[in-house]
Amino acid sequence: DAKTTQPTSMDCAEGRAANLPCNHSTISGNEYVYWYRQIHSQGPQYIIHGLKNNETNEMASLIITEDRKSSTLILPHATLRDTAVYYCIVRVSASGTYKYIFGTGTRLKVLA
Amino acid sequence: ETGVTQTPRHLVMGMTNKKSLKCEQHLGHNAMYWYKQSAKKPLELMFVYNFKEQTENNSVPSRFSPECPNSSHLFLHLHTLQPEDSALYLCASSLAHLAGGSDTQYFGPGTRLTVL
Repeated sequence: DAKTTQPTSMDCAEGRAANLPCNHSTISGNEYVYWYRQIHSQGPQYIIHGLKNNETNEMASLIITEDRKSSTLILPHATLRDTAVYYCIVRVSASGTYKYIFGTGTRLKVLA
Repeated sequence: ETGVTQTPRHLVMGMTNKKSLKCEQHLGHNAMYWYKQSAKKPLELMFVYNFKEQTENNSVPSRFSPECPNSSHLFLHLHTLQPEDSALYLCASSLAHLAGGSDTQYFGPGTRLTVL
């Protein structure tokens, strides 16, 4: 079962910030939060990941709450090409390795 | 471009055919993965290879047979598939499939498989 809960869908106006929430209330102390997105029928594209601190890269920012039970992915200036399904994933450690547990994601639609 | 390529991009096969999917990574990674994505279902991990050794098989039927001849190439051999095996098959690679650190997987574009 997925360890994350995300809204099924969201809309965002082009040029505005897109804020995608994710709940992961059962996350353990050493489990990372990863974000990927999947544009229709393509492979998932890595966006960003974090453990405790907020992170920023050229694509997005990741804000993780202090208790680590939720996070928000921020696309600062959404474009039409950002329309995709966004997956919030907790990377679960198991027996010296790990698993990505994918959920059903948030379908983001950027509107012109 | 993620540095992970998959061929073919589309494949239609009959239930009695034998075919193979190919994945190649140009990232210098040591771990490779096969995932299956069926319509309206989350991605499911099928197999993991770490340093050319198979380390995970998530109860995948024997009609799917993986092969990893070196750390850059991964194959999925298919035989006597069923229509319910129709899906998007995704390959991914990462530096090493280990719990420590923040190993990140990079996905290829996928092969869209249709079984008639």
